[in-house]
Amino acid sequence: DSQLTQSPSSLSASVGDRVTITCRASQGITNYLAWYQQKPGKAPILLIYAASTLQSGVPSRFSGSGSGTDFTLTISSLQAEDVATYYCQKYDSVPLTFGGGTKVEIK
Amino acid sequence: EVQLLESGAKYIQPGGSLRLSCAASGFTFSSFAMSWVRLAPGKGLEWVSTILNTGDGTFYADSVKGRFIISRDNSKTTLYLQMNSLRAEDTAIYYCAKHWAAAGGWVDTWGQGTPVTVSS
Repeated sequence: DSQLTQSPSSLSASVGDRVTITCRASQGITNYLAWYQQKPGKAPILLIYAASTLQSGVPSRFSGSGSGTDFTLTISSLQAEDVATYYCQKYDSVPLTFGGGTKVEIK
Repeated sequence: EVQLLESGAKYIQPGGSLRLSCAASGFTFSSFAMSWVRLAPGKGLEWVSTILNTGDGTFYADSVKGRFIISRDNSKTTLYLQMNSLRAEDTAIYYCAKHWAAAGGWVDTWGQGTPVTVSS
């Protein structure tokens, strides 16, 4: 089974900073990767699917890239409301593994 | 509006059984795969189980295989998770999740989650 390794596990950045989170798959998954945002006490929401397609309604400061084994989620200009934990998930085949998560905080 | 509403909070002793329900509305329930995903205290999201739109295909994480059973009633637009032989490590918030397609794909809608506590 392909595993997903996210890095970093946490980060602290200033409002306006560019933030990058990486997700590495142990086996190639072409572009079958999604990114989710989960705020404390809330359900996750879909940000990106097919590695780079922005879900409708998601702010354009979020973007995704990558294929095969290496993927990136970028927040171009961090906002206070972006404080959350971010997860990648593969969906090429079961198990539908999640990455370990990246907790984003404001410095 | 697409809505997924899980059953209320549950408290159960180790070794016990529990059935979670998720009532769906606002979309053609029988056209989409559905899943359960959980978030244990201090941990990350964990995929638990998926069922295809017709109910013919079911899939489980190794951690729950043989103990949990996912099912759906398309006539009642409801998803279920029968949880048997519960362990302390099954304590988590359980989320009902709708996939983009009949055979799976990404999750485009999540329920609000229902807490399950397994403790003596």
